[in-house]
Amino acid sequence: ILNVEQSPQSLHVQEGDSTNFTCSFPSSNFYALHWYRWETAKSPEALFVMTLNGDEKKKGRISATLNTKEGYSYLYIKGSQPEDSATYLCALLDYGGSQGNLIFGKGTKLSVKP
Amino acid sequence: EAGVTQFPSHSVIEKGQTVTLRCDPISGHDNLYWYRRVMGKEIKFLLHFVKESKQDESGMPNNRFLAERTGGTYSTLKVQPAELEDSGVYFCASSPVLGVMVAGELFFGEGSRLTVL
Repeated sequence: ILNVEQSPQSLHVQEGDSTNFTCSFPSSNFYALHWYRWETAKSPEALFVMTLNGDEKKKGRISATLNTKEGYSYLYIKGSQPEDSATYLCALLDYGGSQGNLIFGKGTKLSVKP
Repeated sequence: EAGVTQFPSHSVIEKGQTVTLRCDPISGHDNLYWYRRVMGKEIKFLLHFVKESKQDESGMPNNRFLAERTGGTYSTLKVQPAELEDSGVYFCASSPVLGVMVAGELFFGEGSRLTVL
């Protein structure tokens, strides 16, 4: 059974702080890693889809890196704002799985205080 | 353009009753997926349609769950009879047709929260 682990489970930061969290996954049979941002009662929203070892992607103040050999990805938020408060989910697409059969971690819940 | 829409947003039923959840994917998206998040746990894959065909239903928990996508447009997920452990948020997602070796993002709906009492 494939497991995707995210840490920390939750994080409380002050507005303006930069922060990062980790997604760990089994590196064998890696195909792609997805990051989603989810606010409760809203739709999870895709941030990044990463496929290549060493990939770095950026969207505004949010960026992500990928290491497929050691099985981890980092998500960074620079200068956190209250509107960044959400749960950040990573999900693995395994080579042996069908397209769309994503294996999710439990998420990191970020709270940004003004 | 409308996103993925799900109905109802919240349903409260008693154990043993039946509930049908509906998902309207983004127009033109042939791929449609159902996922479920039980409280405190991770979001888990249930099944994947390509048009009206079930591509992968390996995540369906048991035969009390029936998913359909007649005509390849909207999809329904029926739970009959519902049990307490079926409570959770049921997400639908869609994606367009992609090449064989492309890993694209999924577009999620807001979810249907099911509470079984």
